[in-house]
Amino acid sequence: DAGVIQSPRHEVTEMGQEVTLRCKPISGHDYLFWYRQTMMRGLELLIYFNNNVPIDDSGMPEDRFSAKMPNASFSTLKIQPSEPRDSAVYFCASSFAGYGYTFGSGTRLTVV
Amino acid sequence: AQTVTQSQPEMSVQEAETVTLSCTYDTSESDYYLFWYKQPPSRQMILVIRQEAYKQQNATENRFSVNFQKAAKSFSLKISDSQLGDAAMYFCAYRSYNTDKLIFGTGTRLQVFP
Repeated sequence: DAGVIQSPRHEVTEMGQEVTLRCKPISGHDYLFWYRQTMMRGLELLIYFNNNVPIDDSGMPEDRFSAKMPNASFSTLKIQPSEPRDSAVYFCASSFAGYGYTFGSGTRLTVV
Repeated sequence: AQTVTQSQPEMSVQEAETVTLSCTYDTSESDYYLFWYKQPPSRQMILVIRQEAYKQQNATENRFSVNFQKAAKSFSLKISDSQLGDAAMYFCAYRSYNTDKLIFGTGTRLQVFP
């Protein structure tokens, strides 16, 4: 198994641009999570899905952030427009029955 | 709401020695899971060990073991025979039976000296 695959690994963008982060969960996993990691706030859960349905998006910072899971093998996290304070490492994780979590390698986003 | 506290921002240990990382949590639930994750400089989050709250026996994975004190809401990680490759950030995490969210502590940076 290739694990949870995230792309891109690094992203540098200018303020105001749209950014799309991608995640492919482990086949057979029914939960998908998006986390953000910063020095100031640590690891924060942004949103999670169960069977492609968003369950809890209370961690999404504001309307500039949106996440979709059109099918069981793909999810996106979009920021539009991006701001410098969005700079962070974004992790995707998947699990089966919410038990064992496997994380991707993360996307380091830098907004200049 | 549940919270996880790691009071040691940094710890250090000599190679081959033993070190213990502390974690406390706050919850009103009786059933839950606890985890320790390792994050090396590669930033990959790696599961180290997992404990179910209903199990009294402390979990062990090779050189890693936990001291789970349910009444005290404490979940410390002991690393025996420390190796240079153990140097990383270590995160304690909590997950209740009722939700699927993993709540993390702020992490402890572990340095291992030869």
